[in-house]
Amino acid sequence: DSGVTQTPKHLITATGQRVTLRCSPRSGDLSVYWYQQSLDQGLQFLIQYYNGEERAKGNILERFSAQQFPDLHSELNLSSLELGDSALYFCASSAIYRYSYNEQFFGPGTRLTVL
Amino acid sequence: AQSVTQLDSQVPVFEEAPVELRCNYSSSVSVYLFWYVQYPNQGLQLLLKYLSGSTLVKGINGFEAEFNKSQTSFHLRKPSVHISDTAEYFCAVSEGGSSNTGKLIFGQGTTLQVKP
Repeated sequence: DSGVTQTPKHLITATGQRVTLRCSPRSGDLSVYWYQQSLDQGLQFLIQYYNGEERAKGNILERFSAQQFPDLHSELNLSSLELGDSALYFCASSAIYRYSYNEQFFGPGTRLTVL
Repeated sequence: AQSVTQLDSQVPVFEEAPVELRCNYSSSVSVYLFWYVQYPNQGLQLLLKYLSGSTLVKGINGFEAEFNKSQTSFHLRKPSVHISDTAEYFCAVSEGGSSNTGKLIFGQGTTLQVKP
């Protein structure tokens, strides 16, 4: 158990819908990362937040957005869903984000299926 | 920008045999290098990391990797594999130094299948 929790574990929805994935980082970790794992794109970095502020952006679609709340939990919002958005979405957390190495601890993931 | 290439998508091997999973990276800046393992229906677990110093790094479960700067490689090895090592293995890179945001760039993964 990494200490990172993600809910829900599974999510099945239809094209065109909107969903919210939730991540609670390890106690004391200020930085949250979101990754997408799909069959065709592999594991891709989406976005990073540090203490409530966006710090780095990867291959995140405009239909996707994220935020980190004052209690440090993060949500990833996916809208106008397409079949190709079906994937495993991971959240990871680390203590601080720059000047030195900080190990990222991964949650178990949320498996999104778009029908 | 960094990129990672895992040279083998699948590696079948018999139990107790040695194995090497190959990884090459590309980057114009200093990097940190990682190997992660993903067991079926689970998240990612860090096997080992290279930050600086000795180019031979040892990780959990008997795995080790060697950083080769001239060949931009970071191959993962284990002298004797077990059935329980069957999993997906990912090589990853992140920028080192003061510009490090921590974001990981992953390779496409290598499926290690250990046969009895």
